[in-house]
Amino acid sequence: DVKVTQSSRYLVKRTGEKVFLECVQDMDHENMFWYRQDPGLGLRLIYFSYDVKMKEKGDIPEGYSVSREKKERFSLILESASTNQTSMYLCASRRTDRGNQPQHFGDGTRLSIL
Amino acid sequence: QKEVEQNSGPLSVPEGAIASLNCTYSDRGSQSFFWYRQYSGKSPELIMFIYSNGDKEDGRFTAQLNKASQYVSLLIRDSQPSDSATYLCAVTRGGADGLTFGKGTHLIIQP
Repeated sequence: DVKVTQSSRYLVKRTGEKVFLECVQDMDHENMFWYRQDPGLGLRLIYFSYDVKMKEKGDIPEGYSVSREKKERFSLILESASTNQTSMYLCASRRTDRGNQPQHFGDGTRLSIL
Repeated sequence: QKEVEQNSGPLSVPEGAIASLNCTYSDRGSQSFFWYRQYSGKSPELIMFIYSNGDKEDGRFTAQLNKASQYVSLLIRDSQPSDSATYLCAVTRGGADGLTFGKGTHLIIQP
């Protein structure tokens, strides 16, 4: 089974802090993604990566950056956290060598910015 | 702007009946279509995926795709109370692109 692990289930930070959300997958997947999920807005793509050190903006990248130094790890960075970034953050991964494979999600990180 | 539309519900179905969930999408370039189930407070869990027009069956679940009508559906036969959840429809053009999700349909199976 695919295992996508997010470092924290719950996180509370203060406005203006630099926040790191970590995600690790154990299936040697090329593709990794960060989404946020908000009531009434659904799941929205923030950033994705298709290879080490490669990154692409998703639909809502403003206020975020990412890092992919190793294939198994994809980090989401909130440079200066704001209250409107309070959300559920979901990491996903998929392989790309066999056509359109589905994405597999981690358990999510519920982030509160005070 | 890529959009995926789902009826938010709640959709209430008696136990043992067929639950029918529908989804339409705007991007004609979409190639892959996914159904995820999400329980409250949990992350999405893959139920089905479909790439070609027609039906695809897996146990009690059947996914149906009509690219000409830009329509995807999920049928759940012999519905169980444990099927009560939010069902998310997601589409992608493929390659390394991310998914575009609908906002989900809240399904309630009544015992």
